[in-house]
Amino acid sequence: AQTVTQSQPEMSVQEAETVTLSCTYDTSESDYYLFWYKQPPSRQMILVIRQEAYKQQNATENRFSVNFQKAAKSFSLKISDSQLGDAAMYFCAYRSVTSGTYKYIFGTGTRLKVLA
Amino acid sequence: DTGVSQDPRHKITKRGQNVTFRCDPISEHNRLYWYRQTLGQGPEFLTYFQNEAQLEKSRLLSDRFSAERPKGSFSTLEIQRTEQGDSAMYLCASSLRSSPSEQYFGPGTRLTVT
Repeated sequence: AQTVTQSQPEMSVQEAETVTLSCTYDTSESDYYLFWYKQPPSRQMILVIRQEAYKQQNATENRFSVNFQKAAKSFSLKISDSQLGDAAMYFCAYRSVTSGTYKYIFGTGTRLKVLA
Repeated sequence: DTGVSQDPRHKITKRGQNVTFRCDPISEHNRLYWYRQTLGQGPEFLTYFQNEAQLEKSRLLSDRFSAERPKGSFSTLEIQRTEQGDSAMYLCASSLRSSPSEQYFGPGTRLTVT
């Protein structure tokens, strides 16, 4: 069974600085998607960035980028120029393509605090 | 607002009571998902629908839980004979069939069983 591990329960970053959130996963499959979702306090989860496993190029969305290391099964999120609005829970998620399921498997999350 | 909506946002019930939650997906989305999120954890998959067909159920979905999507639009999740362990946030998400990799989440229903 696939698993997703986020080993940092909480991280802090100074406003305008850069922070990296870690995610590792375990799978025997070769085709899958990886995601980072942001869950602000009392608000719904929104997609931050998506990576397709067969694409070697790391995904980038404005200030958000990933470091996808397929062999190491690592998928970290880098947030540049951190803003107060980035404060939230961040969840890493996995979705198999090979097995035909559409469910996401989530990690336990990392709470990001942004210090003014 | 064209996002995923859930009703109610909060529900407090006594142990043993039945509760029902509703989810309205984004209108053109034909896949709908239910997840449960307990404090300090990430969301856990419960079940999903493609149109009105329930295609996958998690082992977390015990006999006390039932989900329906009768006309392929909104969905309901019912919990019978609630237990304190059912206290959690229940999240609904939807996606297009053509883009199954991206799920859009609703705000959730927070259930407290006393």
